[in-house]
Amino acid sequence: EDKVVQSPLSLVVHEGDTVTLNCSYEVTNFRSLLWYKQEKKAPTFLFMLTSSGIEKKSGRLSSILDKKELSSILNITATQTGDSAIYLCAVESGGSNYKLTFGKGTLLTVNP
Amino acid sequence: KAGVTQTPRYLIKTRGQQVTLSCSPISGHRSVSWYQQTPGQGLQFLFEYFSETQRNKGNFPGRFSGRQFSNSRSEMNVSTLELGDSALYLCASSLEAWGSSYEQYFGPGTRLTVT
Repeated sequence: EDKVVQSPLSLVVHEGDTVTLNCSYEVTNFRSLLWYKQEKKAPTFLFMLTSSGIEKKSGRLSSILDKKELSSILNITATQTGDSAIYLCAVESGGSNYKLTFGKGTLLTVNP
Repeated sequence: KAGVTQTPRYLIKTRGQQVTLSCSPISGHRSVSWYQQTPGQGLQFLFEYFSETQRNKGNFPGRFSGRQFSNSRSEMNVSTLELGDSALYLCASSLEAWGSSYEQYFGPGTRLTVT
């Protein structure tokens, strides 16, 4: 059974800190890994990673995939209170029948 | 461009009843996927529709079904509701079908409460 595990489950930091969120996976026929941010509403897309070692960057957020280690990290530098959210990792996998398996998420709280 | 819309936003049903939820994708998007989100299980994939065909399916019982219309709008039906079906049901649309690795955009969800 496909599995996606995120760590830590929750994290509390102060504004300005840098955080690293982890996602590891065990799936059959890996296709891509996605990161989402979920506040009080629906998840919003952050990154899609398919190639190992290539960093995706958007402002203060960046992410990289390590296919050898079956993992990915999401970095957020100079955190702001608006970064407080649940960060979800999902892995797209499958041959003829694709599916998306989500981790339980990391709850990030950024205090002023 | 309007986002993904879902109706209704909130719904209360009784055990044993059935329910139909609706999802309208972003204009031009042809793939619609459905997810169930609960505090205990997190976000779980239900199924994906593309060009009116169910292409992919998660591990849910046959009580959960769906369909997609020619305008890409999709409906999800749950029959014989159980208390454990109480959840936030999210749909997401993408330009192309999975396998093309297109990013998905989520709707606001329908909060279903079964009593």
